[in-house]
Amino acid sequence: AQTVTQSQPEMSVQEAETVTLSCTYDTSESDYYLFWYKQPPSRQMILVIRQEAYKQQNATENRFSVNFQKAAKSFSLKISDSQLGDAAMYFCAYRSEYGNKLVFGAGTILRVKS
Amino acid sequence: DSGVTQTPKHLITATGQRVTLRCSPRSGDLSVYWYQQSLDQGLQFLIHYYNGEERAKGNILERFSAQQFPDLHSELNLSSLELGDSALYFCASSGTNVYGYTFGSGTRLTVV
Repeated sequence: AQTVTQSQPEMSVQEAETVTLSCTYDTSESDYYLFWYKQPPSRQMILVIRQEAYKQQNATENRFSVNFQKAAKSFSLKISDSQLGDAAMYFCAYRSEYGNKLVFGAGTILRVKS
Repeated sequence: DSGVTQTPKHLITATGQRVTLRCSPRSGDLSVYWYQQSLDQGLQFLIHYYNGEERAKGNILERFSAQQFPDLHSELNLSSLELGDSALYFCASSGTNVYGYTFGSGTRLTVV
């Protein structure tokens, strides 16, 4: 079974600076999808960014980018120019090519200091 | 508004009782997923329905059941409730793409 590990329970960043959240996963599959979800205090789950495993190019969405290292099974999220609204719980998630369920990591709480 | 509607938003009930959580997926989405988010276990997959049929089961207790109706809305039934069932229950839906899910805003269940 696939597992997702987020080794940082909490991270802090100064407003306008850059922070990287770590995620590793374990799978024997070659085709899959990876996601980062944001959960602000409202508890809504918001998709931040996704990465298809067959793509070598790292995904980017505005201030959010990933560093996808397939051989190392690593999928980190970089947030540039951090804003107060980025403060939230961030979940890394895995989805098999052949299955539909998402497997989530335990989450990382991101605090943004002004 | 994500397009996935969950009701009720909050529910407080006593141990031993039964509750029903409702989810309406985003328009056009045939798949509905249920997840449980508790403080000590993160987000756990419960069950997946596709166009009325059960497709996958996760760590769903026997006291819990779900169904998806012809209009595609889904209900999660929780019975013989225990204190440990207190959690945030999310519904999510997806279409034919693999671009993640769209989550509802969740139902906060408190068992007292």
